[in-house]
Amino acid sequence: QVQLQESGPGLVKPSETLSLTCTVSGGSISTYYWSWIRQPPGKELEWIGYIYYSGSTNYNPSLKNRVTILLDAPKNQFSLKLSSVTAADTAVYYCAKVVTGSYHVDHWGQGTLVTVSS
Amino acid sequence: SYVLTQPPSVSVAPGKTARITCGGNNIGIKTVHWYQQKPGQAPVMVIYYDSDRPSGIPERFSGSNSGNTATLTISRVEAGDEADYYCQVWDNAIDHPVFGGGTKLTVL
Repeated sequence: QVQLQESGPGLVKPSETLSLTCTVSGGSISTYYWSWIRQPPGKELEWIGYIYYSGSTNYNPSLKNRVTILLDAPKNQFSLKLSSVTAADTAVYYCAKVVTGSYHVDHWGQGTLVTVSS
Repeated sequence: SYVLTQPPSVSVAPGKTARITCGGNNIGIKTVHWYQQKPGQAPVMVIYYDSDRPSGIPERFSGSNSGNTATLTISRVEAGDEADYYCQVWDNAIDHPVFGGGTKLTVL
């Protein structure tokens, strides 16, 4: 059974870079799409972007200029960097595994709250 | 980009049937997935490929998709079904997944 676990700072200062890592266990990262999804408090889910095991990426156009998703296959990890953060980036950040072809999320991390505040 | 529209809330009495809709332009030609999210928890997929149920999801959960509306149907609703429900499709135009705004299901 694949499991995903987010890790990283829970507090980031405005204008700085948010950095999170997702560790995948119980399966290889060398297939599928690996995604980041966020949810501001009390609001809906928002897709941030995804990386394919080949290394190709696709980002939400609304965040594209600030987002980088990278894959570290030997460590079975992928990461998220979101630059120039503001309070609007405060959210629970989920990493997720997306099934190719149908493009549905079949495994989610537990989520980690990141607060942007000075 | 492709827009999915869900009612903000649906209320149903225990034992009755809840229907949660997801509207989109010609959504019937797309593949729709549904997720359940309880407070403080990550979402869980309850329906994929319009109407397939993952293992472990009760048969009370079913899905349909036609025309401009996809529907998640929950039969014999239980108190434990109270949650937010999100629909999701793939937007081919931007090669990106899209979520609906979510529907809060309240069990009266």
